[in-house]
Amino acid sequence: DAGITQSPRHKVTETGTPVTLRCHQTENHRYMYWYRQDPGHGLRLIHYSYGVKDTDKGEVSDGYSVSRSKTEDFLLTLESATSSQTSVYFCAISGNPWAANQETQYFGPGTRLLVL
Amino acid sequence: SQQGEEDPQALSIQEGENATMNCSYKTSINNLQWYRQNSGRGLVHLILIRSNEREKHSGRLRVTLDTSKKSSSLLITASRAADTASYFCATSGGYQKVTFGIGTKLQVIP
Repeated sequence: DAGITQSPRHKVTETGTPVTLRCHQTENHRYMYWYRQDPGHGLRLIHYSYGVKDTDKGEVSDGYSVSRSKTEDFLLTLESATSSQTSVYFCAISGNPWAANQETQYFGPGTRLLVL
Repeated sequence: SQQGEEDPQALSIQEGENATMNCSYKTSINNLQWYRQNSGRGLVHLILIRSNEREKHSGRLRVTLDTSKKSSSLLITASRAADTASYFCATSGGYQKVTFGIGTKLQVIP
């Protein structure tokens, strides 16, 4: 597996509180992504980054913000958590400078978030 | 909305049989990828096929791509219990963003 970790792995929070999830990579991949996975919806892209301080919205970005101040770290913030944001969140990376297939995405282990 | 749609959504087979999963998509693509997800884990990349390729093999995996029909299939030959997982297709229009389908849940019965 590519060196990609997510923290925390599990979190329970209350509606209205801010939550920050962290994705950390040690592979020097250029691109980083945040997805959420829900039954019946597969994986949906929240935000992605194509370089330090360069981010863009995905399919389901409302209620989420991201930041990338270093190549290694990509933070996802739920500004005011709602029950609809209960989900499993996956971070992924791509753009391995040494790989033939730079489109291949490598996934972290996921964060299970429960908003009560 | 999802670009790719897998079919069937669930598949149950006996160990040793072949498993075929299909993916259809709507717009033109640069490449199509297949990923596997074991329960409670992140996705793992299996294979990538580019739009100018028709077939690709990797071990027991065979992927075909028909751009005229906007469809792809993933064949797993001689399935094993360890192949039990969900399988996702992911399409890309040429940039690093990919769009995932909803997945096919495969159960291989020992």
